[in-house]
Order: sequence, then C-alpha cells, then structure tokens
Amino acid sequence: AQSVTQLGSHVSVSEGALVLLRCNYSSSVPPYLFWYVQYPNQGLQLLLKYTSAATLVKGINGFEAEFKKSETSFHLTKPSAHMSDAAEYFCAVSDRFGNEKLTFGTGTRLTIIP
Amino acid sequence: DSGVTQTPKHLITATGQRVTLRCSPRSGDLSVYWYQQSLDQGLQFLIQYYNGEERAKGNILERFSAQQFPDLHSELNLSSLELGDSALYFCASSGDGLEAFFGQGTRLTVV
Repeated sequence: AQSVTQLGSHVSVSEGALVLLRCNYSSSVPPYLFWYVQYPNQGLQLLLKYTSAATLVKGINGFEAEFKKSETSFHLTKPSAHMSDAAEYFCAVSDRFGNEKLTFGTGTRLTIIP
Repeated sequence: DSGVTQTPKHLITATGQRVTLRCSPRSGDLSVYWYQQSLDQGLQFLIQYYNGEERAKGNILERFSAQQFPDLHSELNLSSLELGDSALYFCASSGDGLEAFFGQGTRLTVV
C-alpha cells in the first residue's frame, strides 16, 4: 500500500519569504510523486511530478521539489512567495507498476501574509 | 482549462434519491478516474475506467457505480443517497497514466 503524509495542515508565510511544504511518502515499490494545487472552488492543477528522471523537479509558477529516497521525502519549495500562491496543496503518490490511481495526502493550506 | 468537463457543477438532492454525474475527458484520453473530496475523508480514489473497462477500484460504496461509454465519457451513479455522501466529486482523465487532468468537480449536497 502507498501513502503520503503532509506535515502541517496550515502554513503561513510572508510575501517574499521561502515557501516549504513537507511531504513524506511510503511505498513498497518505486513511486511516482506529484504535487497538485487547488484554488478555491477549482479543480486540482498539477504543479510538478517526479517520475524517476532528475531528482530535482521544476514545476509551474516557480515551484520545485526534490525527491530524497533516503528520507522518503518530496518537499515542495518556492524561493519567494506571492499572494497568488495562497491555495491548498496536495502531495500524491502512484507507482510505475500499473497502479495509476493517486493516493493523496490530507493537504496543506498555504496562507500568504502581506 | 484542463480540458475535462464535469456536469453539473452543483447538485442538491434529498436523502434516498439517485443522481448521475457526468464527465467528458480530454480529447483522446482513454483513462477516466473518479475521486471524492470531503472534509472528513479528504481526497479518495473511487474508480478508474480505461477504454470502457473497469481497471481499478478504490473506496467506492456499493450504492455507487460508474461506467465509461464508447465515446469515452463517463458517468458516476450515486443511489440511496445519505447526508454523508455530500462532497465534491472530481473526474480526471489521463492519456499516459502519469499525468491526470482534473475537472472542476461536481459539488453534491444531500439534504
């Protein structure tokens, strides 16, 4: 079975500050890992994905994440927060052996302080 | 715009009733997934169809069923509705099994 744990259901950062959203995964097979963002009353939009190529993955809107197998982590970062980054962020896992369904974490609500 | 269309956007119905949620995937995508998002359960995978066939099943109740038609659109049928079925239901589609594109969801309220 696969699972992800997102540490911190709410994170607040000042505009211009570093954004760090934490995700740890558990998987018995090599995982695929994803970060999705959900704005209010919207669907989920893919920010970035790890599929076993480079361990440092760059996504949209200036976000990036690093896959660390030794730490079973896939934390999401952005050097400088913008007001428009306020949203809910979900980490998700699937695998490369035919299990395409996404198992999501519980989400982290990011608030940007002006 | 993800290219995935879900209708209706909102649905209010009474307990015990039956509803059908519809999803049109992105052009050419053979896989369709259904997810439920609720405050207490979070985002949960319900079921996946691939080119008309059921491929994977998650935490889908027996009162719920789905199908994918020859034109690849999918429907999620929810019956004998209970208050606890109130949630946001998302459809997603994928062409390569790696990246899933999500629709805007159908918000179901059971009263």
